[in-house]
Amino acid sequence: EVQLVQSGAEVKKPGESLKISCKGSGYSFTTYWIAWVRQMPGKGLEWMGIIYPGDSDTRYSPSFQGQVTMSADKSIKTAYVQWRSLKASDTAMYYCATGEYYHDSRGSKFFHPFDYWGQGTLVTVSS
Amino acid sequence: SYELTQPPSVSVSPGQTARITCSADALPNQYAYWFQQKPGQAPILVIYKDSERPSGIPERFSGSSSGTTVTLTISGVQAEDEADYYCQSVDSSGTYVFGTGTKVTVL
Repeated sequence: EVQLVQSGAEVKKPGESLKISCKGSGYSFTTYWIAWVRQMPGKGLEWMGIIYPGDSDTRYSPSFQGQVTMSADKSIKTAYVQWRSLKASDTAMYYCATGEYYHDSRGSKFFHPFDYWGQGTLVTVSS
Repeated sequence: SYELTQPPSVSVSPGQTARITCSADALPNQYAYWFQQKPGQAPILVIYKDSERPSGIPERFSGSSSGTTVTLTISGVQAEDEADYYCQSVDSSGTYVFGTGTKVTVL
């Protein structure tokens, strides 16, 4: 069974740094991409970026490029997202997710990263 | 930027059919996916590749696609279906995009 277990809730002050984690189990951690999704209070889902733990290849959403850094430690099957200097506007629930490989109508293989979700990590940034 | 537009809310009586649309401003030739999110919970996938249903998802959930609009249909709505629903696709640059979300209320 695929499981993603995220680190616990965090309360931080503006300007502080933070690193949250997502530990995978029940699947091949190094060959499945892990995505991160933000959900601000009362708002919708926003894709932040995606990382391939096998070689740490990372793609960021243009909206999050330069704002966060994603990483992965395949030895402990854990992915991370970190902030160097938090802002109040970073207050949100953050989810990690992974998925499955599929084939399209032409037979080409592609990965969809949102089949399985972690429980979420609530980050609160307040002075 | 690529946008997926959903109605903010849909209300339906138990046993009736709920239809949630998701309109794209362009046709990227990508599949659509649907997620259900209940308060305080992580989203769960209910439809993938436009119309496929993951194992464990009730048959009353179905998906369809026509032109630049995809639709999630919940037939015979039950009280437990009350939730927020999001569509999702990929734009031409490979950016994953979520729809604006629809709150389904079971009257």
